[in-house]
Amino acid sequence: AQTVTQSQPEMSVQEAETVTLSCTYDTSESDYYLFWYKQPPSRQMILVIRQEAYKQQNATENRFSVNFQKAAKSFSLKISDSQLGDAAMYFCAYCSNFGNEKLTFGTGTRLTIIP
Amino acid sequence: NAGVTQTPKFRILKIGQSMTLQCTQDMNHNYMYWYRQDPGMGLKLIYYSVGAGITDKGEVPNGYNVSRSTTEDFPLRLELAAPSQTSVYFCASCQMSESKPQHFGDGTRLSIL
Repeated sequence: AQTVTQSQPEMSVQEAETVTLSCTYDTSESDYYLFWYKQPPSRQMILVIRQEAYKQQNATENRFSVNFQKAAKSFSLKISDSQLGDAAMYFCAYCSNFGNEKLTFGTGTRLTIIP
Repeated sequence: NAGVTQTPKFRILKIGQSMTLQCTQDMNHNYMYWYRQDPGMGLKLIYYSVGAGITDKGEVPNGYNVSRSTTEDFPLRLELAAPSQTSVYFCASCQMSESKPQHFGDGTRLSIL
């Protein structure tokens, strides 16, 4: 079974600075997807960014980018120019490409933005 | 665009009561899921469905049942509520596709007292 580990329960960053959230995963599969979801206090689950394992290029979405290291099974999220609205829980998630599309989540990192 | 709709948003149950959490999606997605999120934790999969009439257990299915009679609806049933089922429940859906994002409902906060 796949596992996802987020070793940073809490992180904080000054507004306008850059922060990196860590995620590692364990799998024996070679074809899969990785996601970062944001959960603000409103409890919504918002997709931030996704990465397909067969693509070597790291995904980017505006101020959000990932550092995907397939051999190391590492998938970190970098938030540039942090904004107050970025404060939330961030969850890393794994999805196999072999049927069912089930997501396996990490335990999350609570990000605080310091004004 | 409604997306994934969950009802109710909040509910308090007494131990031993039963209830059904409703989930409906209007995106014609084949795949639907129920997750639970305990305080300070990530989401764990309870049940999922890959299409109407097909359901299967996830990681934490005990104490729950599901059905999928239509593509749109995927209700989750608690038969004998227990305090350990106090949690936030999320329904999600997705379509088999290259990008595979799951669309989540806004969650149901359930307390068993």
